[in-house]
Amino acid sequence: GQNIDQPTEMTATEGAIVQINCTYQTSGFNGLFWYQQHAGEAPTFLSYNVLDGLEEKGRFSSFLSRSKGYSYLLLKELQMKDSASYLCAVRDDEYSSASKIIFGSGTRLSIRP
Amino acid sequence: DARVTQTPRHKVTEMGQEVTMRCQPILGHNTVFWYRQTMMQGLELLAYFRNRAPLDDSGMPKDRFSAEMPDATLATLKIQPSEPRDSAVYFCASGLATVNSGANVLTFGAGSRLTVL
Repeated sequence: GQNIDQPTEMTATEGAIVQINCTYQTSGFNGLFWYQQHAGEAPTFLSYNVLDGLEEKGRFSSFLSRSKGYSYLLLKELQMKDSASYLCAVRDDEYSSASKIIFGSGTRLSIRP
Repeated sequence: DARVTQTPRHKVTEMGQEVTMRCQPILGHNTVFWYRQTMMQGLELLAYFRNRAPLDDSGMPKDRFSAEMPDATLATLKIQPSEPRDSAVYFCASGLATVNSGANVLTFGAGSRLTVL
């Protein structure tokens, strides 16, 4: 089967750091994505990991451990505009980049002043 | 600014009616995905295409849903007959998959919000 787990909701304070975890169990693996989705809008791409380790992009970083089926998204210097849902997604075919991309249910992050 | 265009943005219909949603992928993209999003289920994959060929539609209720790509600039998702449980936001997304793998980052359309009464 295929399973992607993330916490349903998280709350953090403006200016702080938050880590959103994602664990996955899929039949194959060929990359993990993080998307951001503001309420009423479409998901937008944040980051991509295919090898183990940390990818940093400005205030956002994403980490992957393939052996543990684990990833996290780290958001630093939180701003009110970071209030959104964060979706973890896995491409589940190690042989093709055109294979299916499956999403977790998302983590709704609320930032308080 | 390349974008994925979906129509209609909103649709209210009565149970039993046919609904057709359309998607224009980004020019040059060779993969198209249809997802359905509800509060309870999150983003569910319904079907996807590569070079216009359907690769997997196992997430789609076969008896009432159909997805096609009549040409490279148009993907359609049809529901016939529609039911209240089909009420959701339907997203189309396109990406570029290459031989050397690569990310195939998906760009999403704005979605079609469907309400079936």
